[in-house]
Amino acid sequence: KNEVEQSPQNLTAQEGEFITINCSYSVGISALHWLQQHPGGGIVSLFMLSSGKKKHGRLIATINIQEKHSSLHITASHPRDSAVYICAVRWEGSQGNLIFGKGTKLSVKP
Amino acid sequence: DAGVIQSPRHEVTEMGQEVTLRCKPISGHNSLFWYRQTMMRGLELLIYFNNNVPIDDSGMPEDRFSAKMPNASFSTLKIQPSEPRDSAVYFCASSLYRGRFYEQYFGPGTRLTVT
Repeated sequence: KNEVEQSPQNLTAQEGEFITINCSYSVGISALHWLQQHPGGGIVSLFMLSSGKKKHGRLIATINIQEKHSSLHITASHPRDSAVYICAVRWEGSQGNLIFGKGTKLSVKP
Repeated sequence: DAGVIQSPRHEVTEMGQEVTLRCKPISGHNSLFWYRQTMMRGLELLIYFNNNVPIDDSGMPEDRFSAKMPNASFSTLKIQPSEPRDSAVYFCASSLYRGRFYEQYFGPGTRLTVT
């Protein structure tokens, strides 16, 4: 079964902490997405990557294709980072559809 | 650009009624996706269009659901007849495809409640 597993499901951090969210998947992929969903419900694409590492501001996403694993890191976390972070993959040879993880709910306390 | 536009933002309807959700993708994007999000199942793809042609509709739950994309700037998702289990947030997303997919941009979603 093609699955996308995220950990942890819930994460509470203090402002300023370094945060890591993990995503693992079961078969070959052509791309992996990290999405952010705020309490209001809107979804924003943070990263799309197929190898290596990408950085945008305080966010860093890495992927290890051999280990079928990706991580999303947040440096110097802030309460405004509180959101649900969702990992999604596009399987190799798929027509384009994404398969989503269940999400990680992050709460950053001031 | 205004981003992906969805309407209505909220819809409350009674069981058995027809519901039509609308989406306007980002200008220049040639791929459009309809997703459904529920607490139990998370985000799921319903259907995906490329150049206005349905490519993968394997996620459409049953015959009560239908989607169309008559042109590059408009798509609809219709549920007829609606049932309480259809209550969810429905997202539309668009992307550019040129031999490979680029990032997807999501609309604000339509929150559907079927009573």
